[in-house]
Amino acid sequence: EPEVTQTPSHQVTQMGQEVILRCVPISNHLYFYWYRQILGQKVEFLVSFYNNEISEKSEIFDDQFSVERPDGSNFTLKIRSTKLEDSAMYFCASSEFLEETQYFGPGTRLLVL
Amino acid sequence: DAKTTQPTSMDCAEGRAANLPCNHSTISGNEYVYWYRQIHSQGPQYIIHGLKNNETNEMASLIITEDRKSSTLILPHATLRDTAVYYCIVPMDSNYQLIWGAGTKLIIKP
Repeated sequence: EPEVTQTPSHQVTQMGQEVILRCVPISNHLYFYWYRQILGQKVEFLVSFYNNEISEKSEIFDDQFSVERPDGSNFTLKIRSTKLEDSAMYFCASSEFLEETQYFGPGTRLLVL
Repeated sequence: DAKTTQPTSMDCAEGRAANLPCNHSTISGNEYVYWYRQIHSQGPQYIIHGLKNNETNEMASLIITEDRKSSTLILPHATLRDTAVYYCIVPMDSNYQLIWGAGTKLIIKP
């Protein structure tokens, strides 16, 4: 069964450093999403992406964040200058069409020291 | 804010049916109800979704009331591995982003 994959599973970084989180969505899917979950809190929407551009973004997704689909398979989330409060689980999701089920990857646990 | 309300937690005995309720009184006519679960901070796992008819798949059944203001997710024979947080979600219209509430923490007891 096709699934969304994410790498790395864990990332530890120093405050102020750049991180890139990688996702491989399900191959025939066209819509891609990033969500995050701070430890003990709710899952929060960050951004949706379609046709090589951002469709929607939340207030969390400020100028420090960017997304890219650098090739036909990867979808990345970049945090330019990490802050302590960026420590969270980051989940990638994809769906075939807009109003279709989103399937999630296993997540990347980011720890900013 | 999430369009749904769920109980904070529930217990169920192993082997019994787990019935998880959800209220979505402001749902509109063309909005689906989705159920996901999250096992111990793993990635959310899709379970089932429905519009107005009851739905069943290999994981669960979804019963939606006729007025569509509430639904119940049924795990017919709960196992210890079904211990998780279960989320009932109505995606936002414009961009289908998922707004997550706190969900129901379901604990399956031996």
